[in-house]
Amino acid sequence: DVVMTQSPLSLPVTLGQPASISCRSSQSLVHSDGNTYLNWFQQRPGQSPRRLISKVSNRDSWVPDRFSGSGSGTDFILKISRVEAEDVGVYYCMQGTHWPQTFGQGTKVEIK
Amino acid sequence: EVQLAESGGGLVKSGGSLRLSCAASGFTFSNSHMAWVRQAPGKGPEWVGQITTSSDGGRTDHAAPVKGRFTISRDDSKNTLYLQMNSLKIEDTAVYYCITSGWSHWGQGTLVTVYS
Repeated sequence: DVVMTQSPLSLPVTLGQPASISCRSSQSLVHSDGNTYLNWFQQRPGQSPRRLISKVSNRDSWVPDRFSGSGSGTDFILKISRVEAEDVGVYYCMQGTHWPQTFGQGTKVEIK
Repeated sequence: EVQLAESGGGLVKSGGSLRLSCAASGFTFSNSHMAWVRQAPGKGPEWVGQITTSSDGGRTDHAAPVKGRFTISRDDSKNTLYLQMNSLKIEDTAVYYCITSGWSHWGQGTLVTVYS
């Protein structure tokens, strides 16, 4: 299985400051169809996960533009330009290129 | 608005069985591939399996840890997705979510607790 490795696992951030989460895969996530199936999910405390970003950089409609995704091949990043209180939670990257789909361990974002 | 409502979770003894249901609304269920995902306490999500649309053959695929024990099915007339879980193990303890194709929508989840 493709191993997804996130860092850091814990991310204390000051309100209004930027945050960045790294996700690395053990194999390239470029699919034979040319797409890179790398998603990011947010899970707020006590809630179900929600997809934030699909195919590396495509934000879902509910997602504020302070969130952005980038990367290619095996290295990906989720950035929050200015952290707000509602951003507290655990963030997961997930690859859908190789069977089976696999998730990273999660990065817990909290306010300092 | 897409809504997914799981039910059927509970406490079950190791080796027992449970059937989870997921009632879907707000979209054309019959046109949507569907999947189950689980999340053990304090852990990240784990893909359990998926089913294609009936018009695409209703083909199923299950993750290795559950293959041969869990079965995904669907009833398009009831807009409902199912997960039949047999020979349950302690390590199957998790919140089980149904999700739409593409991972864009998740239900609220139903907790399955397996005890010895």
